[in-house]
Amino acid sequence: ETGVTQTPRHLVMGMTNKKSLKCEQHLGHNAMYWYKQSAKKPLELMFVYNFKEQTENNSVPSRFSPECPNSSHLFLHLHTLQPEDSALYLCASSQVDTSSGANVLTFGAGSRLTVL
Amino acid sequence: GQNIDQPTEMTATEGAIVQINCTYQTSGFNGLFWYQQHAGEAPTFLSYNVLDGLEEKGRFSSFLSRSKGYSYLLLKELQMKDSASYLCACMDSNYQLIWGAGTKLIIKP
Repeated sequence: ETGVTQTPRHLVMGMTNKKSLKCEQHLGHNAMYWYKQSAKKPLELMFVYNFKEQTENNSVPSRFSPECPNSSHLFLHLHTLQPEDSALYLCASSQVDTSSGANVLTFGAGSRLTVL
Repeated sequence: GQNIDQPTEMTATEGAIVQINCTYQTSGFNGLFWYQQHAGEAPTFLSYNVLDGLEEKGRFSSFLSRSKGYSYLLLKELQMKDSASYLCACMDSNYQLIWGAGTKLIIKP
């Protein structure tokens, strides 16, 4: 399998549930990202992992908890979410090379989350 | 603050040409990206510009003017499959990507 794979593709959860989103990349990239995509809004960067170390946490509420056990896998653990957290959650990976600047992201198809 | 502006929605006719504009204000500049996103699918990379001028890739071309903080994506010989959202993103001096809200392109027969 190639590219970036996200599961599940769709998730409906109540505000008291605990669930996890999974992302797997088969590209040998050294960085992985979680983005939130809401309708008619810019992509919001949530977390970045470079070589499995978290390098970005853009003031994301603690009800979102990332985990990166190795360079190929990334999880987003969800707990006590709010209805406004309903969105498409996109995972991406890249091979970071700051000398060239062309940090091209490869995205997964996303996990559509609905919080009731 | 940092900001990317692009039109929310555009409509064009199959076989025609359309230009999607993007203006940016960022802290420093390390290149501008265009991505295509079909409904329900992953965004996919289209182009990267870091120097002024036009980059052509088949039916798609991307232009950059750093002095004007301006880019456009030009799509020629439009096909129905080009109906998608087009995302503009700028990399700032910290190599952080600043994203626009996307332009939804509707192609009519």
